[in-house]
Amino acid sequence: GAGVSQSPRYKVAKRGQDVALRCDPISGHVSLFWYQQALGQGPEFLTYFQNEAQLDKSGLPSDRFFAERPEGSVSTLKIQRTQQEDSAVYLCASSLASIASEQYFGPGTRLTVT
Amino acid sequence: AQSVSQHNHHVILSEAASLELGCNYSYGGTVNLFWYVQYPGQHLQLLLKYFSGDPLVKGIKGFEAEFIKSKFSFNLRKPSVQWSDTAEYFCAVNAGAEAAGNKLTFGGGTRVLVKP
Repeated sequence: GAGVSQSPRYKVAKRGQDVALRCDPISGHVSLFWYQQALGQGPEFLTYFQNEAQLDKSGLPSDRFFAERPEGSVSTLKIQRTQQEDSAVYLCASSLASIASEQYFGPGTRLTVT
Repeated sequence: AQSVSQHNHHVILSEAASLELGCNYSYGGTVNLFWYVQYPGQHLQLLLKYFSGDPLVKGIKGFEAEFIKSKFSFNLRKPSVQWSDTAEYFCAVNAGAEAAGNKLTFGGGTRVLVKP
């Protein structure tokens, strides 16, 4: 009965470095979401996958952000040339269905860009 | 675009006091509504959800919420809080059944501190 897992839990990057954040959803969950949570704020949507298809990437803040889910299971969020404003907790969530289904969240990856 | 507002950023109360956290959303269509809780050091967990039916929803740990469509509100309540209810609470909304891939729009959160 494993939940959503994310790695690494903490990441410190120097400005300009590339980072890759991994999400392992609950087995069998069709939908996968990425959210960004800045300090003291609620999570904000970044992107959504249904199986391997990225159906919504309207929340990605710039073309430095890229996400993939090539086999419809594990997903990676990549941030290129990190900036200080990218510092946040990145949350991954999965849900069993694509409609009217609750989302289960992972513990998040706290990214600090120095 | 959907938006969610939570009226209180911080709430401090004593054990056994009653709790009510406000949540209003702006979206004209059918909505699904959620309250999530984040205990210190833990990840977001679902407290309760409303998809359809009885607008008074009961969740875990004695929490309940009432959906009032005319007021675009989904307030969270608990009659008697415990110290273990200290956490941050997030209201969230997504579009209803007509929209697939239902991304959540979250409020800014309310930090609740229960004093023993």
